[in-house]
Amino acid sequence: GENVEQHPSTLSVQEGDSAVIKCTYSDSASNYFPWYKQELGKRPQLIIDIRSNVGEKKDQRIAVTLNKTAKHFSLHITETQPEDSAVYFCAASKGSGGSNYKLTFGKGTLLTVNP
Amino acid sequence: NAGVTQTPKFQVLKTGQSMTLQCAQDMNHEYMSWYRQDPGMGLRLIHYSVGAGITDQGEVPNGYNVSRSTTEDFPLRLLSAAPSQTSVYFCASRGSLAYEQYFGPGTRLTVT
Repeated sequence: GENVEQHPSTLSVQEGDSAVIKCTYSDSASNYFPWYKQELGKRPQLIIDIRSNVGEKKDQRIAVTLNKTAKHFSLHITETQPEDSAVYFCAASKGSGGSNYKLTFGKGTLLTVNP
Repeated sequence: NAGVTQTPKFQVLKTGQSMTLQCAQDMNHEYMSWYRQDPGMGLRLIHYSVGAGITDQGEVPNGYNVSRSTTEDFPLRLLSAAPSQTSVYFCASRGSLAYEQYFGPGTRLTVT
């Protein structure tokens, strides 16, 4: 089955700096890669996702890049703010219908933004 | 829309007890999943369903049962609770034509 590796497990940055979290996946058939943010005691919430037909997607201060050849994808957060502090999870799936919709998650990155 | 709801929010069980975690969604989503979240382990898939009457095992199914008699509900049953099942449990749902999964608020379970 799919295996998703996520690095680093913890990341501490100063407010205003950029943060980058990287993930690799093993199944070349995976084609959907979401990123979730989870604040302490809350549910995971989707912040951005990318499908394998594009290489990069941006939403304000957040961007995701995908390298299908190398089977890795990354989350980039620019101009970090204290409210960005949370655990971030990457995930992968084959995306389409039936049992292919299942997500495999990385183990998470605890991002701390210091004021 | 209430989205995905889960009950209870918290539960303490003794080893060997049984219980059912409830999950419901009002978005008419075909796909529903149960995950457990343990420190440093991410979210691991327990069981999933692609429609009423259809369920299958995920990555960590042992000790759990599910059924899906309606589109809306997807309960998770612990038959004989063990301390290793102490975890936070999340239910999620997704429509068949979209990609985003929506998570419920979670149930924090402690087995003593």
